[in-house]
Amino acid sequence: DAGVTQSPTHLIKTRGQHVTLRCSPISGHKSVSWYQQVLGQGPQFIFQYYEKEERGRGNFPDRFSARQFPNYSSELNVNALLLGDSALYLCASSLESANQPQHFGDGTRLSIL
Amino acid sequence: RKEVEQDPGPFNVPEGATVAFNCTYSNSASQSFFWYRQDCRKEPKLLMSVYSSGNEDGRFTAQLNRASQYISLLIRDSKLSDSATYLCVVTRGYQKVTFGIGTKLQVIP
Repeated sequence: DAGVTQSPTHLIKTRGQHVTLRCSPISGHKSVSWYQQVLGQGPQFIFQYYEKEERGRGNFPDRFSARQFPNYSSELNVNALLLGDSALYLCASSLESANQPQHFGDGTRLSIL
Repeated sequence: RKEVEQDPGPFNVPEGATVAFNCTYSNSASQSFFWYRQDCRKEPKLLMSVYSSGNEDGRFTAQLNRASQYISLLIRDSKLSDSATYLCVVTRGYQKVTFGIGTKLQVIP
């Protein structure tokens, strides 16, 4: 069975641009969560979605948004990119909620120039 | 005070040694607890869920102490392949999923 898949693997953008990251959960998983991880830190929770509804939001500005589709895949959008948005963006899926064991994708490494 | 605190290490231990990590959390309403393992420049992978009764998986034992608000991970008979960063995770409702900074373990031949 396929694990969590994320695309693209790497991305280079410049300040002010916007970016869309994509995630497909494990088959049968209905919850998708997004995290930002900078070097030397643990992942920081951005969003959790379940059945297309936002269930949880971390302490990130409104430039960050996400959505979940009927097939449970998800997109993370970041507008007006800043240098500080350079990070590894991780998507995780779980059966129903982030309170349960989560399975992570390989991540998208975003670099802002 | 941070919601989840871990000693970042590194912990350098010889092969075969026993090593233990703690992770403290500040909110007594925290509900679920996990240990993840993360290799350099890779994604986190679930190691164990942590239950009040304690749980064991081979050489790994996890404990939860709600009274003192910490979780622990014990690794017995360390292998070179155990070298990684160990992340504790604490959740509270749907809105709060908090990872620790991670504890780096280096097992030395």
